[in-house]
Amino acid sequence: RKEVEQDPGPFNVPEGATVAFNCTYSNSASQSFFWYRQDCRKEPKLLMSVYSSGNEDGRFTAQLNRASQYISLLIRDSKLSDSATYLCVVNMGNKLTFGGGTRVLVKP
Amino acid sequence: SQTIHQWPATLVQPVGSPLSLECTVEGTSNPNLYWYRQAAGRGLQLLFYSVGIGQISSEVPQNLSASRPQDRQFILSSKKLLLSDSGFYLCAWSVLQETQYFGPGTRLLVL
Repeated sequence: RKEVEQDPGPFNVPEGATVAFNCTYSNSASQSFFWYRQDCRKEPKLLMSVYSSGNEDGRFTAQLNRASQYISLLIRDSKLSDSATYLCVVNMGNKLTFGGGTRVLVKP
Repeated sequence: SQTIHQWPATLVQPVGSPLSLECTVEGTSNPNLYWYRQAAGRGLQLLFYSVGIGQISSEVPQNLSASRPQDRQFILSSKKLLLSDSGFYLCAWSVLQETQYFGPGTRLLVL
């Protein structure tokens, strides 16, 4: 089993719709969690950290479920510019472990 | 503010040739530094990380090596490139082991 797993997608999303996807992690001792965004042929950029109580940043909402060992990202009112690969990242104590990414395509 | 530089942006090298990729960070002291590789359509693979000058930890055995000659300089090297070394090489920095910030990357094609 991979340490951090994501559905690779693509998730085809109509503009203005809501999309949500999860990421599962294997190490129950994982301490912190992040979502990064990566555009085609570019470096990953931090989108948001994921806090235990859940957190929101504009149209983006992140949730953590420690009991089931997954985190989620929800994007409301999708924009064309939201098209990207979203990387789930888990801090397992001494390093960050990246998931393979979920590709999201927002279409008009 | 902190910035991270990588060069070159793209590189085409023949099999068996040497490699040197450089990464420098500005605006912070004693950062943790990381080298990742991303193969086409794949996730990020951690290659090396460093918590200080001269301190290198290798994550994956291979024909690559890393060095940290200065606090904010991280170099990735190879004596002889293989076809399988092609990929997108990313340098990142962090304070302690939290959020990492990536440089623009070097796209390497080995022919």
